Amino acid sequence: EVQLVESGGGLVKPGGSLRLSCAASGFTFSSYSMNWVRQAPGKGLEWVSSISSSSSYIYYADSVKGRFTISRDNAKNSLYLQMNSLRAEDTAVYYCARVSFSAGTGYWGQGTLVTVSS
Amino acid sequence: QPVLTQSSSASASLGSSVKLTCTLSSGHSSYIIAWHQQQPGKAPRYLMKLEGSGSYNKGSGVPDRFSGSSSGADRYLTISNLQSEDEADYYCETWDSNTRVFGGGTKLTVL
Repeated sequence: EVQLVESGGGLVKPGGSLRLSCAASGFTFSSYSMNWVRQAPGKGLEWVSSISSSSSYIYYADSVKGRFTISRDNAKNSLYLQMNSLRAEDTAVYYCARVSFSAGTGYWGQGTLVTVSS
Repeated sequence: QPVLTQSSSASASLGSSVKLTCTLSSGHSSYIIAWHQQQPGKAPRYLMKLEGSGSYNKGSGVPDRFSGSSSGADRYLTISNLQSEDEADYYCETWDSNTRVFGGGTKLTVL
């Protein structure tokens, strides 16, 4: 069974940093691109960042470019999101997701809440 | 980059059918999309991949009541024999060379 379990969320002050983790199990992690998607309170889904299976390709939404860094450790079956210079508008539930358009499969984690407030 | 347009809300009666629409922007009518369901207070759930041909692949455990179809730039999600648990937000998603895009979501109310 595929499982994606996020952790690392919490309350942080504006300008602060936070590192999110996503522990993957039930599939060959090193074979899949992975994504971070967020959802602000009462709002829709917003793509944040993607990383290819070998970390060769990394992409960011304009809203987080230069502040967030996605990475992965295939030996540990883990995905990360380092978030710096956090703003109030970064407040959201952050989801780890594996959605493969080629394979026609998709899985989401349960999410972790990040609150940016003074 | 592509833009996905969804109606903000839809409603249908218990036991009936409903067809939700996701429209791709001009120049992107051939794109493959994915449909996701988000029940209240829960994480999203992947439903299916849907191609411009109308061919679709559902995720594991997705009931037979869910199906997909396409016409031009429109991608449809049809839910038959609506159940109370189908009341949820439905999002379409696509990708381009270096970005992924979500539609604004459709809130489905089961009457």
